[in-house]
Amino acid sequence: QSVLTQPPSASGTPGQRVTISCSGSSSNIGRNTVNWYQQVPGTAPKLLIYSSDQRPSGVPDRFSGSKSGTSASLAINGLQSEDEADYYCAAWDDSLKGVFGGGTKLTVL
Amino acid sequence: EVQLVESGGGLVQPGGSLKLSCAASGFTFSGSAMHWVRQASGRGLEWVGRIRTKTNSYATVYAASVKGRFTISRDDSKNTAYLQMNSLKTEDTAVYYCTSEDYDPMGYYYMDVWGKGTTVTVSS
Repeated sequence: QSVLTQPPSASGTPGQRVTISCSGSSSNIGRNTVNWYQQVPGTAPKLLIYSSDQRPSGVPDRFSGSKSGTSASLAINGLQSEDEADYYCAAWDDSLKGVFGGGTKLTVL
Repeated sequence: EVQLVESGGGLVQPGGSLKLSCAASGFTFSGSAMHWVRQASGRGLEWVGRIRTKTNSYATVYAASVKGRFTISRDDSKNTAYLQMNSLKTEDTAVYYCTSEDYDPMGYYYMDVWGKGTTVTVSS
């Protein structure tokens, strides 16, 4: 049972917009920023969004993040086949320990 | 290029010990906190622990699942972080990743660059 709650799966067709939610509590997302990681099966996770809505250099602007209260969202515009991967949200709790969501498997139909 | 390379994984019996290493290059290692994250086969990511810098007294914090059994350390002269794992259990079987830490202008930190991971199997 993960501390942060994500839907186990999401899907979309090429070109569509897809959103993935991440729900937490006042002891994690409610008091800290949220980070998102993309993991293509068989490879290491890669930072996708940090500080809730910031993109590292090299991440396409099709990816965006937002946070409100104790929840956060990752949006992918103009879905592409290479976006098929697992996506994880992460935050810090009030004891400075890391917490992850259970991951969302994104399928591009 | 920022790079992290984990090593030291392998097969160990329950109750045994193993020490993982994470060799860093391409950034100022001594100025960066480091984390360990693990992932059991077919499962999600689990944060293991964090070690801060010398400026912050090399302070460590651990997940409840490993506290008292795992110890994170670092050798800034060798640009290497370590994860000492004792009293291993079958449920510790996973790929172990080390990650570097960065922070934004407001001071919020995040796990930035990840290594490729090293596999630990705890089995008799």
